[in-house]
Amino acid sequence: DVVLTQTPPTLSATIGQSVSISCRSSQSLLHSNGNTYLHWLLQRPGQSPQLLIYSVSRLESGVPNRFSGSGSGTDFTLKISGVEAEDLGVYYCVQGTHAPWTFGGGTKLELK
Amino acid sequence: QVNLLQSGAALVKPGASVKLSCKASGYTFTDYYIHWVKQSHGKSLEWIGYINPNSGYTNYNEKFKSKATLTVDKSTNTAYMELSRLTSEDSATYYCTTGAHWGQGVMVTVSS
Repeated sequence: DVVLTQTPPTLSATIGQSVSISCRSSQSLLHSNGNTYLHWLLQRPGQSPQLLIYSVSRLESGVPNRFSGSGSGTDFTLKISGVEAEDLGVYYCVQGTHAPWTFGGGTKLELK
Repeated sequence: QVNLLQSGAALVKPGASVKLSCKASGYTFTDYYIHWVKQSHGKSLEWIGYINPNSGYTNYNEKFKSKATLTVDKSTNTAYMELSRLTSEDSATYYCTTGAHWGQGVMVTVSS
């Protein structure tokens, strides 16, 4: 199975600070069809996960544009440009290129 | 708006089975696969599998092939997941999701 390694496991930030989360894959996530199925989720405390970014860099409808995704192959990054209080929670990367789909271990974003 | 409404929490005895439901509304049910995801307490996410509501085709994570059975009822726009031979390791919150939209989750507790 593909292993997704997220760093850091915990991230402390102040409101307005920009932060990045890394997601590294044990193998390339470039599908034979040319797409890369690497997505980012946010799970706020006590809530279901929410899709933020799909296919590396595409912003899900309704998600603020302070969220952005980048990367290719095995290295991917989620950036938040100006953290807001509502952004606190656990971020997960998830890949759907190779079966079975797998998730990263999560990065918890806390207020400093 | 898209909504995935899951059945309520379940308390089940070891060795028993439980059938969870996920009722979809706000979109054409057959347009999107329904995935099921497991989240053990305080831990990351595991992909169980998906079902194509149009054809009934299923794709399972090998880890859950003998544990979970996915079905749909197109007449009621409802997806189901049956978990069999339950043990304490199956105690978790289970989500249904189209990828972009997630149910509220259902907590399953296995205890005598």
